[in-house]
Amino acid sequence: DAKTTQPPSMDCAEGRAANLPCNHSTISGNEYVYWYRQIHSQGPQYIIHGLKNNETNEMASLIITEDRKSSTLILPHATLRDTAVYYCIVGDNFNKFYFGSGTKLNVKP
Amino acid sequence: GAVVSQHPSRVICKSGTSVKIECRSLDFQATTMFWYRQFPKKSLMLMATSNEGSKATYEQGVEKDKFLINHASLTLSTLTVTSAHPEDSSFYICSARDPLAYGYTFGSGTRLTVV
Repeated sequence: DAKTTQPPSMDCAEGRAANLPCNHSTISGNEYVYWYRQIHSQGPQYIIHGLKNNETNEMASLIITEDRKSSTLILPHATLRDTAVYYCIVGDNFNKFYFGSGTKLNVKP
Repeated sequence: GAVVSQHPSRVICKSGTSVKIECRSLDFQATTMFWYRQFPKKSLMLMATSNEGSKATYEQGVEKDKFLINHASLTLSTLTVTSAHPEDSSFYICSARDPLAYGYTFGSGTRLTVV
């Protein structure tokens, strides 16, 4: 079962930063936090992952709290093409991935 | 990066027939693949784990005789929806893990419509 909780939807203005929160209070010490997104009628796309340090790549930044019980995905300059459902998943490299409900991000002009 | 290919992308079949969906890892070998289904406006639901050379393991509530899974090689898993009915209409997605990468790579999905 999914071990994460996310708000069902969020709005963001185009060009502004989108901050998507995720709670994972039961995360285990060896579990990573993964973020994926799903654009309508496509398979989920990997965005970023982290264990305990903050991470940044060309798509996004991931901020993980010190107690690892929550995290925030940051899209620094949201575009209309970032409109999607964003999923936060916790797991190690051997676990199955169980998806929660995700957050529908609506980027508006 | 790792690529997972799914075929077909869309299929329409008549009620009572069987449909096969293929999932291929294109540039890596996958001893394990996963099958999900997704209803409109809902999240992905894990159906089963496909194991190369052995039987698939199914999540609770998933009918193994309805959803036949075969993982005959390290790069191919197939899902066969047998005796399909309209309620089997859904979006089916597979995933696999590149041993050299973190996380899982997902296919682009198959839209099944049973009429």
